[in-house]
Amino acid sequence: AQSVTQPDIHITVSEGASLELRCNYSYGATPYLFWYVQSPGQGLQLLLKYFSGDTLVQGIKGFEAEFKRSQSSFNLRKPSVHWSDAAEYFCAVGAYAGNMLTFGGGTRLMVKP
Amino acid sequence: DAGVIQSPRHEVTEMGQEVTLRCKPISGHDYLFWYRQTMMRGLELLIYFNNNVPIDDSGMPEDRFSAKMPNASFSTLKIQPSEPRDSAVYFCASSSSTGQGYGYTFGSGTRLTVV
Repeated sequence: AQSVTQPDIHITVSEGASLELRCNYSYGATPYLFWYVQSPGQGLQLLLKYFSGDTLVQGIKGFEAEFKRSQSSFNLRKPSVHWSDAAEYFCAVGAYAGNMLTFGGGTRLMVKP
Repeated sequence: DAGVIQSPRHEVTEMGQEVTLRCKPISGHDYLFWYRQTMMRGLELLIYFNNNVPIDDSGMPEDRFSAKMPNASFSTLKIQPSEPRDSAVYFCASSSSTGQGYGYTFGSGTRLTVV
């Protein structure tokens, strides 16, 4: 069965600092990987996805993520965090695009001024 | 496209009452998912449909919960009778199995409070 672990429940960074959110997955085949962001009171919005090809994927809002098969990881990064990035971030893994995704527990990001 | 549309956005009801949550998926999407989100348990998959047919309802907490998808453009999640522990945010999401898809597209959720 597939699973996702987000080791950090909370992260606090200063505005302008770089950010890396960790995601480790367990899946027997080549996974489909996703990052979602949830702002307070809102639904989950897709930030980026990896299906195949280039292991560094670019997403919306200046985010990127790198798929590392050897480490079973798909970490999310941003070079300079803005106060509006404060939200909860979810990593997810799936067998293929339309099928059931398994979500991690989420990482709550707080941004200090 | 208006995205996945859920109604109502907020629902406050008394214990024992029936509650119906509604979802309109993105046109052309053949998968529909119902999730529940709470602080304690995070995101939980309740049930999902493919081409209007329920595929996996193992996440439905108990018989008080039921879900239907009478056609490709509408789904309901019903709780009868409702209990305070059902208070949560309920999300509907849809996706497509054709092409590379977009992952899920989520609705804005229904915040349910049972008093």
